[in-house]
Amino acid sequence: QQQVKQSPQSLIVQKGGISIINCAYENTAFDYFPWYQQFPGKGPALLIAIRPDVSEKKEGRFTISFNKSAKQFSLHIMDSQPGDSATYFCAASPTFYGQNFVFGPGTRLSVLP
Amino acid sequence: GAVVSQHPSRVICKSGTSVKIECRSLDFQATTMFWYRQFPKQSLMLMATSNEGSKATYEQGVEKDKFLINHASLTLSTLTVTSAHPEDSSFYICSARAALAGMTDTQYFGPGTRLTVL
Repeated sequence: QQQVKQSPQSLIVQKGGISIINCAYENTAFDYFPWYQQFPGKGPALLIAIRPDVSEKKEGRFTISFNKSAKQFSLHIMDSQPGDSATYFCAASPTFYGQNFVFGPGTRLSVLP
Repeated sequence: GAVVSQHPSRVICKSGTSVKIECRSLDFQATTMFWYRQFPKQSLMLMATSNEGSKATYEQGVEKDKFLINHASLTLSTLTVTSAHPEDSSFYICSARAALAGMTDTQYFGPGTRLTVL
């Protein structure tokens, strides 16, 4: 119940295309869903996050879609660029200070020039 | 804002020595810090949760006597790998969860420390 599933494991997209990464969770106590971007040899960086009171959040080329009833959320990267090539982790957490996040296994995105 | 630093960024040591890694929240207070280990092309493995002023909570399978964690202040946590062996070679990442009202309740990660034990 604590697990967060993430797919695909790896993704190859042409420059200018749309990258879509999906995550699913079971624990209904989760109410905060961030996405992190990690480049090789670097720590993860917060990219965008959403709470269940909205179904979509957009920041620049990055959009989170959230389906509360299905317990699924996804990251869409519009106009994907080679510089977006990185590993993306979804995560989920209850809003409770001190609680760790449950991370998905990650998706390695490669955007071809 | 919300910057987390780690020091050192890279360390090479001989087998049997101890290595200390520092994690600092530079512009915010963090009552909770987390330590992760990451193997190449794998996800983040939580090692322990560190609360300021109290003992760290270790995940199952993590040796607390080998990985000593100290969270002495609201801005500093340290991880000491004692008697390091080659199998301890890994990428260690800390994160800090913001404690102040008005800040986004999320985890901010440090840049990581690459440990190589010869």
